[in-house]
Amino acid sequence: GNSVTQMEGPVTLSEEAFLTINCTYTATGYPSLFWYVQYPGEGLQLLLKATKADDKGSNKGFEATYRKETTSFHLEKGSVQVSDSAVYFCALSDGSARQLTFGSGTQLTVLP
Amino acid sequence: GAGVSQTPSNKVTEKGKYVELRCDPISGHTALYWYRQSLGQGPEFLIYFQGTGAADDSGLPNDRFFAVRPEGSVSTLKIQRTERGDSAVYLCASSLNPPSGRAGELFFGEGSRLTVL
Repeated sequence: GNSVTQMEGPVTLSEEAFLTINCTYTATGYPSLFWYVQYPGEGLQLLLKATKADDKGSNKGFEATYRKETTSFHLEKGSVQVSDSAVYFCALSDGSARQLTFGSGTQLTVLP
Repeated sequence: GAGVSQTPSNKVTEKGKYVELRCDPISGHTALYWYRQSLGQGPEFLIYFQGTGAADDSGLPNDRFFAVRPEGSVSTLKIQRTERGDSAVYLCASSLNPPSGRAGELFFGEGSRLTVL
């Protein structure tokens, strides 16, 4: 079955530091890949997505590239801000797009 | 506009009791999903509705869990004879139908935290 493995947290960075959160997946076929973010006290929100190999998703300064050869979708940001503190979830969807399979989440804390 | 609304936000119950959790999706979203999130884990799929019908209930863990969406809008997740292992945050999400071309763009509520003592 489908599975997502992401970097365990928590991750603590200083403001303006470079961020990488690793995500690898196992899936049959050609899944779509996502990063969702959960800010404190809020529901999960879609951060970015990629639907085919070599696609790059980007939003709010975050980027992730769909790498089929390494089955990875690592999240990166060049300069994090305190407001980026949240829990980040990597996820994939199967061909029907009805189910999302999530990783276990990575807690990010950015200190001023 | 309003997002996905879930009630109650917190529910504490005793083992063996019956529980109902309600989800009010974004207006116009015909697809509705329930997920369960245990502590330290990512959300796990439970059930997906397309309109009034359950199009995929393969994630429901056993027959104590049941969900309805009688008018194609509000949904209720029902748990009978609750067990301590049912303690989790139950998340509801909705999306435009079908999600083709916009795969995975689900809009989540804040969840209902269920604690079974």
